[in-house]
Amino acid sequence: QVQHVQSGAEMKKPGASVKVSCKASGYTFTTYAIHWVRQAPGQRLEWMGWINAGSGNTKYSQKFQGRVTITRDTSASTAYMDLSSLRSEDTAVYYCARQHDTLTGYSFDYWGQGTLVTVSS
Amino acid sequence: QSALTQPPSASGSPGQSVTISCTGTSSDVGGYEYVSWYQQHPGKAPKLMIYEVTKRPSGVPDRFSGSKSGNTASLTVSGLQAEDEADYYCNSYAGSSYWVFGGGTKLTVL
Repeated sequence: QVQHVQSGAEMKKPGASVKVSCKASGYTFTTYAIHWVRQAPGQRLEWMGWINAGSGNTKYSQKFQGRVTITRDTSASTAYMDLSSLRSEDTAVYYCARQHDTLTGYSFDYWGQGTLVTVSS
Repeated sequence: QSALTQPPSASGSPGQSVTISCTGTSSDVGGYEYVSWYQQHPGKAPKLMIYEVTKRPSGVPDRFSGSKSGNTASLTVSGLQAEDEADYYCNSYAGSSYWVFGGGTKLTVL
């Protein structure tokens, strides 16, 4: 069955960086895109960016441009989201989700369990 | 890329129908047939309920339906059940490989 297993919770100090992983199983990783979405406590879902797991091409929300880097390791069927220059407002649960232009109609059909990143001094 | 506009809350009694709106612009909701809806229970990951405006993934009850008119998409939940109480988010493709979410609507089953 399709699964995305994310890395565990992280606690970081302001100014630091965090790298969250998302390991995919149950499907051919390189035929899909992986998106990253975050949700601050009590707040809405916020789209951050995505990577074409086959080509490695990426696109980032303008809000996070310059601070976020999404990569993937095809041999490990794993995507990564690296967020730098962390501040308290980056405290959130970070989710990965897969998407395919024709198979999922530009929607996100399987999500990871989420990774809580806490930024505090 | 501004967030799509959703009402903060909606409610209905068991068995009733409720409709949640999602308003964007001609650059996102109005420009593409790629609106999706997600259900999120507290502490859980979002779950896809509707994609491509009107389509339901396998396993989603037919009580959930979607539609769109101009720049506004809607999610209707018919025959409300207690387990439908959750947060609902719309999402739209916004062109140039960008996506945008709505602000979310808390659905309460009275």
